[in-house]
Amino acid sequence: DAGITQSPRHKVTETGTPVTLRCHQTENHRYMYWYRQDPGHGLRLIHYSYGVKDTDKGEVSDGYSVSRSKTEDFLLTLESATSSQTSVYFCAISAPSGLYNEQFFGPGTRLTVL
Amino acid sequence: AQSVTQPDIHITVSEGASLELRCNYSYGATPYLFWYVQSPGQGLQLLLKYFSGDTLVQGIKGFEAEFKRSQSSFNLRKPSVHWSDAAEYFCAVGETGGFKTIFGAGTRLFVKA
Repeated sequence: DAGITQSPRHKVTETGTPVTLRCHQTENHRYMYWYRQDPGHGLRLIHYSYGVKDTDKGEVSDGYSVSRSKTEDFLLTLESATSSQTSVYFCAISAPSGLYNEQFFGPGTRLTVL
Repeated sequence: AQSVTQPDIHITVSEGASLELRCNYSYGATPYLFWYVQSPGQGLQLLLKYFSGDTLVQGIKGFEAEFKRSQSSFNLRKPSVHWSDAAEYFCAVGETGGFKTIFGAGTRLFVKA
C-alpha cells in the first residue's frame, strides 16, 4: 500500500471555526489531491498540488484553501467551517508515468460541522 | 468537458452470481479509464485500468472490464461474486496528458447469501 496518512481521522467541530486537515505521504510523489466524498456525488476535487508551493483549484474549491511547503505534506484548511462542509475528505497522491495518472488514496477524514 | 456516468446507484446480486457494473464516459480524446473499489470506512483501491491496447483488461480480485469505444463504455464484470465484494465501486476517467481524474458517482454493491 502507498504510504499515505491523514490526520485527524475523525473530527467534530462547530460552524465558524477553522479546521485544518493534514495529508502526509512517504512516497515522494509530485502530485497530491484533496477530494470530498458525498452521497450521490462520488469524489469531487477540491484542490490539487503539482509541486511544493504549486497548487490549483478543483471543481469545489470555495471555502477551502491549501498549502504545500514540503513534498510530503499537503494541508487542507477550512477557514470558517459551515455545515455544508460536513463530508468525508480523501487525500490522494500520484506520480504520472508517461501520459496517464494512477492515484493512490489515503484512509479518509470524516468531518462533521455542527 | 469530460464526465463519467454510473447509471446504477446500487445493485444487489446473490453470492456466486455474475456481476456487471455499468460505466459510460464522455471524453473527446482517447480516455484513460479506471475502476476503483471502496470498502466501508476505507479509502479507494485501484481494481484495474485501461490505457491502450487490448480492450479487455484484467484486474485484481478476479475483476475484468471491457472498453467499448463505440458505446463510450467501460463496464466492470466478475463471473462469480463473493460476499467480500460488497463495497462501492467507482469508475473514473483520467485526463490525457494531464493529472486530474474525474469520478463517477459510484455504484454500491450488495451481496446476498
